[in-house]
Amino acid sequence: SSELTQDPAVSVALGQTVRITCQGDSLRSYYASWYQQKPGQAPVLVIYGKNNRPSGIPDRFSGSSSGNTASLTITGAQAEDEADYYCNSRDSSGDVVFGGGTKLTVL
Amino acid sequence: QVQLQESGPGLVKPSGTLSLTCAVSGGSISSSNWWSWVRQPPGKGLEWIGEIYHSGSTNYNPSLKSRVTISVDKSKNQFSLKLSSVTAADTAVYYCARGEWLVQSGDWYFDLWGRGTLVTVSS
Repeated sequence: SSELTQDPAVSVALGQTVRITCQGDSLRSYYASWYQQKPGQAPVLVIYGKNNRPSGIPDRFSGSSSGNTASLTITGAQAEDEADYYCNSRDSSGDVVFGGGTKLTVL
Repeated sequence: QVQLQESGPGLVKPSGTLSLTCAVSGGSISSSNWWSWVRQPPGKGLEWIGEIYHSGSTNYNPSLKSRVTISVDKSKNQFSLKLSSVTAADTAVYYCARGEWLVQSGDWYFDLWGRGTLVTVSS
């Protein structure tokens, strides 16, 4: 199966904007979905499709895609956004793939 | 409101078989969803194990395919995971999750997760 590559760690100042990226060949065919995971908790879907937010997810979370790269943007990061973020998609074989995860620190 | 709940032994001996069940409540396992198992070793990232549709169709992670069996029991509204020949490397939190696959739009996502269950492989 193909891979999705994420930066291991990213930091952002409180109230600023941060972009978390995910690269992989499968993203040319499928949109990435994005998950937030806090310590000791299950992942939570924050973005799916072209740029869709499930009910209850703040509108400071948004998604975009270009070529083989998908991005999750948090506009006006809050302390509670500090978490691990994972991207996910299907690959050309139809298998499910996850990125390695990005640890977001809010300073 | 649909909920997922994992259950099964928290300790499995090396070379044994890990067996877990995910109970689906508040909804039907026969809905148009793919039902997956995902695991997370301590301090590491998420790894997809495999999935099943209510028809019984399955897809498995190629790296685990030789050891994995996922089955569905529609009468009990649940699906199950069996992972054979386990080693310490299989120690992880195991999650069940509901997947939505909209092939025409290219949308794929997990919209619902169980709380997860820690399985430790140790003698």
